[in-house]
Order: sequence, then C-alpha cells, then structure tokens
Amino acid sequence: QVQLQESGPGLVKPSQTLSLTCIVSSGSISSGFYYWNWIRQPAGKGLEWIGRIYISGSTNYNPSLKSRVTISVDTSKNQFSLNLRSVTAADTAIYYCARGGELSWFDPWGQGTLVTVSS
Amino acid sequence: DIQMTQSPSSLSASVGDRVTITCQASQDIVNYLNWYQQKPGKAPKLLIYDASNLQTGVPSRFSGSGSGTDFTFTITSLQPEDIATYYCQQYDNLPLTFGGGTKVEIK
Repeated sequence: QVQLQESGPGLVKPSQTLSLTCIVSSGSISSGFYYWNWIRQPAGKGLEWIGRIYISGSTNYNPSLKSRVTISVDTSKNQFSLNLRSVTAADTAIYYCARGGELSWFDPWGQGTLVTVSS
Repeated sequence: DIQMTQSPSSLSASVGDRVTITCQASQDIVNYLNWYQQKPGKAPKLLIYDASNLQTGVPSRFSGSGSGTDFTFTITSLQPEDIATYYCQQYDNLPLTFGGGTKVEIK
C-alpha cells in the first residue's frame, strides 16, 4: 500500500518561496499511470487543488495559482516537490500531497503539513 | 472552472438517523464525482468514487447517487465515528474542484 509523506519548513516569510517535498514509500512513483498532486486547506476552510505532475514531467496547475507554482518530480528519489513563490499570509494552510489518476479521485493522501506565512 | 455547491454546510443528527448531503455542479459532469470524509486533524479519505461506487473497506451505510449536475451522499444510519466533514469533488475537467464541505455533528 503506497504511502505519502510531506516534508518541509513549517514557517515561511512573506514574499519568499514555500518549498515542500512529498516522499512516496511502499511503491514506485513511476509505476502505474498516476498523477502526483498537491492540495491545500486553509484552517477551517475547504480544499483547493494546486496542481499535479506526471512522471514524464508533464504538469497541470490551478489557474488561480499558476503564475506562482512549480511542481517537479525526482523519480530516483521517489518523490515530488512543490514550490510556491511570493507567498503571503493567504497561503497559510495545511498542504497535502495525494496520488490521482488522469481524471479521477485522490487516493491515498499524505497526512498533511502546516505551513504558516509570517514574518 | 466547475463550481461545486454542497448543502447543507452543516447538520446535526442523532445516532441512527439517515443523513443526506447534496452536491450540485455548475455544469454537467456525467458521473465524475467523488466523496471524501475528513475527520478533525486528519487528511481526507476517499469514500465514494464515480458518484456511486464504494471504496474498498468503506462501510455499506455510506452511499452515493446522481448524475449530470445533481448528486447525493447518504449515511443510512449515522454512527458516532461518522462525525466529520464531507466533501464532494469533480473530475470532469481541470482544475479539479471540491465542494465547500458539510460538517456532520451528533445531536
């Protein structure tokens, strides 16, 4: 059963870049026709899809964040990463990574990691 | 973007009650809809996919129905462990979008 685990700084200063990594274990990130996703959730609010990557390196981003987001994959390390540039307090949220199909559901999810944007 | 409107935003029901949540899409999404359960402090968990298919291991008291723009999620007999927020999610088109969530509490 594949498992995902997010890692990265819990505190980022305004205008800087938020960088997170999702480590995939108990399975290869390269096996199957899966997309690897980032999703976020501000405290007490709903879920927002940020974007995704396929092992070929092909990416799709939410238009609301596209100008600031880069998602990359490192198949040798079995992980994928999120960079969100020029952050503000509005980017404070729990960030989840999740596996998905080309157009399907998210399963499984990582446990999530809280990132706070504050000086 | 496809907008997903869930209702109600919260509800309170007694143990054993039937609970129904609705999700309306801003355009036809066929049956490309999933339902998730999120318990406090936890990641969302997939319960229903393709509008009506129960994920492996999910209790049969959970069910989903609908197609086109209108979908329903039902808990036939509410249990204390079902206290959570439930989300619908469409995958007809990018960007993938979620409903606003329905918080279910015990009366």
